Amino acid sequence: DQQVKQNSPSLSVQEGRISILNCDYTNSMFDYFLWYKKYPAEGPTFLISISSIKDKNEDGRFTVFLNKSAKHLSLHIVPSQPGDSAVYFCAASVLGSARQLTFGSGTQLTVLP
Amino acid sequence: EAGVAQSPRYKIIEKRQSVAFWCNPISGHATLYWYQQILGQGPKLLIQFQNNGVVDDSQLPKDRFSAERLKGVDSTLKIQPAKLEDSAVYLCASSFGSGANVLTFGAGSRLTVL
Repeated sequence: DQQVKQNSPSLSVQEGRISILNCDYTNSMFDYFLWYKKYPAEGPTFLISISSIKDKNEDGRFTVFLNKSAKHLSLHIVPSQPGDSAVYFCAASVLGSARQLTFGSGTQLTVLP
Repeated sequence: EAGVAQSPRYKIIEKRQSVAFWCNPISGHATLYWYQQILGQGPKLLIQFQNNGVVDDSQLPKDRFSAERLKGVDSTLKIQPAKLEDSAVYLCASSFGSGANVLTFGAGSRLTVL
């Protein structure tokens, strides 16, 4: 039972263009969403998050959008840079669940110079 | 601030052998998690500790996996006996409290079972 889904295993984008990574979830109890970035041979590192009371959160080149009615969130990176090439994981947690994260399967982003 | 430390980084064993992984969380972080990441999948929670008590181990295959956090700091995850399907990266993460939203992960321990 995959509660968090990332349906695109990979995405290639030209440097300077926008990268859009998508994530869908099924559990309506999720109230906090996070994006983690992972480079090879390293652990996931926190990138940006959003609470379910918001529909947008922005941090520099990174913006996360949340559409609760569609149970969908997306991460926008603009402009994309070669250093952004990594696996991006979407994660979600439920209030009262001791903040355990449920992860999607990840999307490999490749930014081409 | 030092990050989450894990060792060993890589381990290769034969099936039915045993293996142990060690994790030292960020100083002051009361909550510690072990996740299993199989190739091509997202991390999956195995066990969560709050100080030295277990909060949730419902996803831990207890017939072969065990974990402890005796003094509320370091933690050890053991697999005995290992199966081929245990090949994965074992990630340790910590957070300041059980209500904290952001987890900080270590680099992981990659296990290959032959």
